[in-house]
Amino acid sequence: AQTVTQSQPEMSVQEAETVTLSCTYDTSENNYYLFWYKQPPSRQMILVIRQEAYKQQNATENRFSVNFQKAAKSFSLKISDSQLGDTAMYFCAFIEDQGAQKLVFGQGTRLTINP
Amino acid sequence: GAVVSQHPSRVICKSGTSVKIECRSLDFQATTMFWYRQFPKQSLMLMATSNEGSKATYEQGVEKDKFLINHASLTLSTLTVTSAHPEDSSFYICSARASGVQETQYFGPGTRLLVL
Repeated sequence: AQTVTQSQPEMSVQEAETVTLSCTYDTSENNYYLFWYKQPPSRQMILVIRQEAYKQQNATENRFSVNFQKAAKSFSLKISDSQLGDTAMYFCAFIEDQGAQKLVFGQGTRLTINP
Repeated sequence: GAVVSQHPSRVICKSGTSVKIECRSLDFQATTMFWYRQFPKQSLMLMATSNEGSKATYEQGVEKDKFLINHASLTLSTLTVTSAHPEDSSFYICSARASGVQETQYFGPGTRLLVL
């Protein structure tokens, strides 16, 4: 079974700093997708970034970028120039390309951006 | 685009009553919708997968007679918590997957259920 592990339950940085959230996963599949979702205090799940496993190039979305290491099964999220609005729970998630296509979530990392 | 709504956002009910939660995809058709439950400070737990026009597929340990799911159209899925009890109090979140875009799920804002 696929598993997703986020080893950092909580992180805290100062505004404008860069922060990296870790995520590792385990799968025997070759084709799959990886996601980072953000859940602010409103509890709305927001898609931050998406990575396709067959693409070697790391995905970027403005201040958000990933470091995808397929061989190491690692998928970290880097937030540059962090803002107060980035304060949220961040969930790493995995979905296989075929089969049941259920999202498998990590345990989450609570990120706090301090002014 | 890819907006999913949920209604109600918050509901309080008495023990023994039933509560219906609606999940709608507003600007796309969703052949598949998912229902999750989230306990405080925890991750999302998948309850069931809802496919338009067919019976829902429930995860192990989720009572299908307790949590009734109907996906009658390409834009609407409903979750009914039957004979609710205080232990059913939780945050329920739905997500929808657009037709033809198999891998990305878009989430509703969630429904907070409190059973007294």
